[in-house]
Amino acid sequence: AQSVTQPDIHITVSEGASLELRCNYSYGATPYLFWYVQSPGQGLQLLLKYFSGDTLVQGIKGFEAEFKRSQSSFNLRKPSVHWSDAAEYFCAVGPPGSARQLTFGSGTQLTVLP
Amino acid sequence: GAVVSQHPSRVICKSGTSVKIECRSLDFQATTMFWYRQFPKQSLMLMATSNEGSKATYEQGVEKDKFLINHASLTLSTLTVTSAHPEDSSFYICSARDLGDGELFFGEGSRLTVL
Repeated sequence: AQSVTQPDIHITVSEGASLELRCNYSYGATPYLFWYVQSPGQGLQLLLKYFSGDTLVQGIKGFEAEFKRSQSSFNLRKPSVHWSDAAEYFCAVGPPGSARQLTFGSGTQLTVLP
Repeated sequence: GAVVSQHPSRVICKSGTSVKIECRSLDFQATTMFWYRQFPKQSLMLMATSNEGSKATYEQGVEKDKFLINHASLTLSTLTVTSAHPEDSSFYICSARDLGDGELFFGEGSRLTVL
């Protein structure tokens, strides 16, 4: 069975500092990998996704993520955090080539200090 | 980008009543939609997969008679919480898979409060 682990429940960074949110997955093959952001009381917005090819993926809002097969990781990064980035971030995996649903991690709450 | 709209965004109802939540794909067709439930400060839990023109597939532990799902067209799925109780209060989110490229898009969520 596939699973996703986000080891950091809550992260606090200062505005302008760099950010890395961790995501580890368990899957028999290379899954589809996603990062979503959720603002309070809102649905999910896709930040970026990895299907195949270049392991460094660029997303919206200045985010990027790197797929590392050897570590079964897909960590999200941003070089300089903005106050508007404060939100809940979810990593998700899905089987390739299938219409099945995604499996979500437990989420990481990001707080940005002024 | 593609938009998925949920309505209502917030609903308050009395215990014992039924509530219907709509999920619409506004500019694409979706044969498959998914319904999730999210408890405060927790992740999304898949409740069911809604398939256009056929019965929904429910996840283990989800009562199909309590959470009725109808996917009558390629752009609309509805979730009806029947005989709602306070423990049904939650944030319900739908997602829709674009028939064209298979990408998944999420609605804004619906906050249900049962008094």
